[in-house]
Amino acid sequence: AQSVAQPEDQVNVAEGNPLTVKCTYSVSGNPYLFWYVQYPNRGLQFLLKYITGDNLVKGSYGFEAEFNKSQTSFHLKKPSALVSDSALYFCAVRDMGGSQGNLIFGKGTKLSVKP
Amino acid sequence: DTAVSQTPKYLVTQMGNDKSIKCEQNLGHDTMYWYKQDSKKFLKIMFSYNNKELIINETVPNRFSPKSPDKAHLNLHINSLELGDSAVYFCASSQTGTSGVPFFGPGTRLTVL
Repeated sequence: AQSVAQPEDQVNVAEGNPLTVKCTYSVSGNPYLFWYVQYPNRGLQFLLKYITGDNLVKGSYGFEAEFNKSQTSFHLKKPSALVSDSALYFCAVRDMGGSQGNLIFGKGTKLSVKP
Repeated sequence: DTAVSQTPKYLVTQMGNDKSIKCEQNLGHDTMYWYKQDSKKFLKIMFSYNNKELIINETVPNRFSPKSPDKAHLNLHINSLELGDSAVYFCASSQTGTSGVPFFGPGTRLTVL
């Protein structure tokens, strides 16, 4: 069965510093991986996805993610954090066991960026 | 605006009542989903549906039923509401296929008293 794990409940970063939000995955076959962000009382916004190709995926709002097959990881990164990046971040993997490919989400990581 | 929309945004009701949440997408997608986000922010798939197939997460009580009048709508009906149904419910849609990105609605916060 497909799954993702986000080992950190919370990540604290100073504004201007680089940030990393970790995600590891477990799949049978090729992984289809996604990152979403959820601001308070809002829906989920798509940031980026990895389907195939380059291991470094660039997404919205200056975020990028690095796919590492040997470490089964898909960590989200940003070179310089903004206070406005503070939100809840979800990693997800496509469930290839079903015909419609819904997403299976990690438990989320709360990112707090302090001025 | 192209988007996934849900109504109502907030729903407060008594135990035992029946309620519906509406979802519409104008993205031209062929697959729609309902997800539940609990108080700990865990997101779980409830249903996925396209015009060919409804897939139900086996953990979802049969008090919950999706209804799709057409490709652009997937409404959620809940019978005999229970306290444990309190959560935020998200509708989403995508193109079928491995690269299709699910886009999410703003959510409906259901509170059962």
